[in-house]
Amino acid sequence: GQQVQQSPASLVLQEGENAELQCNFSSTATQLQWFYQSPGGSLVSLLSNPSGTKHTGRLTSTTVTKERRSSLHISSSQTTDSGTYLCAIDPNAYKVIFGKGTHLHVLP
Amino acid sequence: NAGVIQTPRHKVTGKGQEATLWCEPISGHSAVFWYRQTIVQGLEFLTYFRNQAPIDDSGMPKERFSAQMPNQSHSTLKIQSTQPQDSAVYLCASSLGQGNGAETLYFGSGTRLTVL
Repeated sequence: GQQVQQSPASLVLQEGENAELQCNFSSTATQLQWFYQSPGGSLVSLLSNPSGTKHTGRLTSTTVTKERRSSLHISSSQTTDSGTYLCAIDPNAYKVIFGKGTHLHVLP
Repeated sequence: NAGVIQTPRHKVTGKGQEATLWCEPISGHSAVFWYRQTIVQGLEFLTYFRNQAPIDDSGMPKERFSAQMPNQSHSTLKIQSTQPQDSAVYLCASSLGQGNGAETLYFGSGTRLTVL
């Protein structure tokens, strides 16, 4: 079965609203990362958060390892935040497995 | 640092032709990964090299697909006798390769392969 499940599949917001993205994973993982893929396709790592809460800019990630779930909170969304947010785990400490992503569209 | 470089950006082949995709990892990174991305399947792991040695190719279709890393500065993914279902974006990534499970992956811009 799918090891990483993300919800919602898509999300439409008005600029300024907050976004909450969820990730559930079925395998134990040594690492959990959130990635952003722009509409043009480039993929960049946003943050790594195997457990606890981490902040970077307007992003906050909370991972509860024993419950195998992570969330990504985007505050005060901007149109430039539009794109796909991917959750990824590495159950083998190197082989990163990705979810199918949440497609975020922020309207002006 | 130019990041991970993939060439070509786009490739169109006819059914049955061969396609070779190139990846130049970030200098100093010893781990190189290949992924394939489609709308239906999402991002799928294909293969992984560490210090140029193939470590895990469990995601590679056993026939027609092969990957090599002849030196630390580039890796190739070769698809023989391409089929329409091979159409996808092929992404290469690299990381420091320290193996501690806490590394950031750096992705290239990908090669969009279209098989007619």
